[in-house]
Amino acid sequence: GAVVSQHPSRVICKSGTSVKIECRSLDFQATTMFWYRQFPKQSLMLMATSNEGSKATYEQGVEKDKFLINHASLTLSTLTVTSAHPEDSSFYICSARMDSTDTQYFGPGTRLTVL
Amino acid sequence: QKEVEQDPGPLSVPEGAIVSLNCTYSNSAFQYFMWYRQYSRKGPELLMYTYSSGNKEDGRFTAQVDKSSKYISLFIRDSQPSDSATYLCAMIQTGANNLFFGTGTRLTVIP
Repeated sequence: GAVVSQHPSRVICKSGTSVKIECRSLDFQATTMFWYRQFPKQSLMLMATSNEGSKATYEQGVEKDKFLINHASLTLSTLTVTSAHPEDSSFYICSARMDSTDTQYFGPGTRLTVL
Repeated sequence: QKEVEQDPGPLSVPEGAIVSLNCTYSNSAFQYFMWYRQYSRKGPELLMYTYSSGNKEDGRFTAQVDKSSKYISLFIRDSQPSDSATYLCAMIQTGANNLFFGTGTRLTVIP
């Protein structure tokens, strides 16, 4: 089956620092990837849609200067949380849409804790 | 009104029971319907993927779509403790990017 990896799986950082999260589709090409945020016992909230070679599209209320997204290749998208604050602590999940089938496959998630 | 409604549960069943999970939706343009399973602190795993109305079976899992009623279901036969997870329904319009998720139903299968 299609595999999407995320790195790191957990990260703890100090307030004010920046954190980069990588999302990779390991065995398929994904022109489009998505970044979600999930709070405990809640469903996924779409933050942004990332397209290879172009600027990401952010959902309403998501600060593009705070959550920087880069999708430089057909298998890699990165999310950088800049100047992190404790309220940014959350579970961040990416998904990659397989070009050949349009099906979305999710990564295992990254738990970010900002102290 | 939310685009997709799903009873959050929690739902507890004994091992071996048949589980029925459901979602309703309001947007008649949704064409693709998915069920994801999410274990605690993990990303969602795609279980079933159906297009338009009808049934699809895969092992112990059956996905059912009734577009006329805007209602989808996931049935789990002979439920196992390893099925204990949160089940999320999701749907999307043809040609669109955004998946619309239900809130998820927490299922516990008791040995």
